[in-house]
Amino acid sequence: SYEMTQPPSVSVSPGQTATITCSGNKLGSKYTSWYQQKPGQSPVLVIYQDTKRPSGIPERFSGSNSGNTATLTISGTQAMDEADYFCQAFDSSTSFYVFGTGTKVTVL
Amino acid sequence: EVQLVESGGGLVQPGGSLRLSCAASGFTFSNYAMNWVRQAPGKGLEWISYISPSSNAIFLADSVKGRFTVSRDNAKNSVYLHMSSLRVEDTAIYYCARDRLAAAGRVCLDFWGQGTLITVSS
Repeated sequence: SYEMTQPPSVSVSPGQTATITCSGNKLGSKYTSWYQQKPGQSPVLVIYQDTKRPSGIPERFSGSNSGNTATLTISGTQAMDEADYFCQAFDSSTSFYVFGTGTKVTVL
Repeated sequence: EVQLVESGGGLVQPGGSLRLSCAASGFTFSNYAMNWVRQAPGKGLEWISYISPSSNAIFLADSVKGRFTVSRDNAKNSVYLHMSSLRVEDTAIYYCARDRLAAAGRVCLDFWGQGTLITVSS
């Protein structure tokens, strides 16, 4: 089965850039999406189709995907961005959605 | 406003059964595929099921295949997860989530419900 790996944690200072990676075999050939989940809340879609932002998602969230790695970048990170972030792709060989292992972003 | 409201969670003994419901509003339900995703306490997200708009395509994760089924009633704007032979490891928050319509095919889950907690314990 397809697997995607993320670093367990990322720390960032307020106003700085947070970079969260998601690794998977030939992930660049699949569309990757990213979800933000704050404690006690449901996941929220922040990036889809590698680079697109849903309505209402701040411009400081951006994404890229190439080779074996997809990246979520949070520019000018704010305290409100402290959350767990999960990448997700669609495995066409099984028709399953697959989630990454998740990254806890801490804003110090 | 898109809303997804899950219900039916609770405490169930190992080997028991349960049916979860997800009531949708704020969009044309019959146009969208729906999914169930679960999250064990303190763990990550696990996709478990997909049902197409007309129910002609259903996919279930290997971890639940043969024990869970999914159905929908477009007249009632609802999707259901039928769970049987429940195990302790099925303990989780269960979310329903809408499949985003995209020309590129299945891409992501754009709206999620608040989730309902299933605890499997004796």
